[in-house]
Amino acid sequence: DTGVSQDPRHKITKRGQNVTFRCDPISEHNRLYWYRQTLGQGPEFLTYFQNEAQLEKSRLLSDRFSAERPKGSFSTLEIQRTEQGDSAMYLCASTSPRGPEAFFGQGTRLTVV
Amino acid sequence: QKEVEQDPGPLSVPEGAIVSLNCTYSNSAFQYFMWYRQYSRKGPELLMYTYSSGNKEDGRFTAQVDKSSKYISLFIRDSQPSDSATYLCAIQGLTGGGNKLTFGTGTQLKVEL
Repeated sequence: DTGVSQDPRHKITKRGQNVTFRCDPISEHNRLYWYRQTLGQGPEFLTYFQNEAQLEKSRLLSDRFSAERPKGSFSTLEIQRTEQGDSAMYLCASTSPRGPEAFFGQGTRLTVV
Repeated sequence: QKEVEQDPGPLSVPEGAIVSLNCTYSNSAFQYFMWYRQYSRKGPELLMYTYSSGNKEDGRFTAQVDKSSKYISLFIRDSQPSDSATYLCAIQGLTGGGNKLTFGTGTQLKVEL
């Protein structure tokens, strides 16, 4: 296992379409996080899972956003009815029970046109 | 006021210089202090983290935390062109958000030949 994997790396979609991103964390990591990063800003927390339970959602996560981690392994983040303001890099990170270090994937860059 | 403040730069230094990158934070409940490096269009890469006030060294990198001032720093010795990237400070607290991170905006560093 070489790290956190995200798919796709890039996504261009038309406004109003739905998109789904996937994250595969490091295999022994029980916590998985989604962040959003816009140009010139640091990543902002969206939500996190401990195993399959979604334990916290940011106010940034509007009703159009939903995340799942059905078997406590990979996670998906879906955005419905995309808007131009959703254009950003969506980052996934994972942590193990043994320490605070969070390891990030390469991100999915979303462009809404 | 943001929870974590970081000068966005850009910061340009000659090769071999000592670089000092800094952040301030407002919430004394924060417990872990991390530094990430992010190359353009890539995910953040963890450089190092600290827990207590004081210094921690790893190769050319030294992280410093002053909890009384709520001030954290990253020093890079003998800077190289390959160090050119955005450096993000990230802080983690023991809240209901597990190990979620609060990031600064990032400082863009360019090391010139």
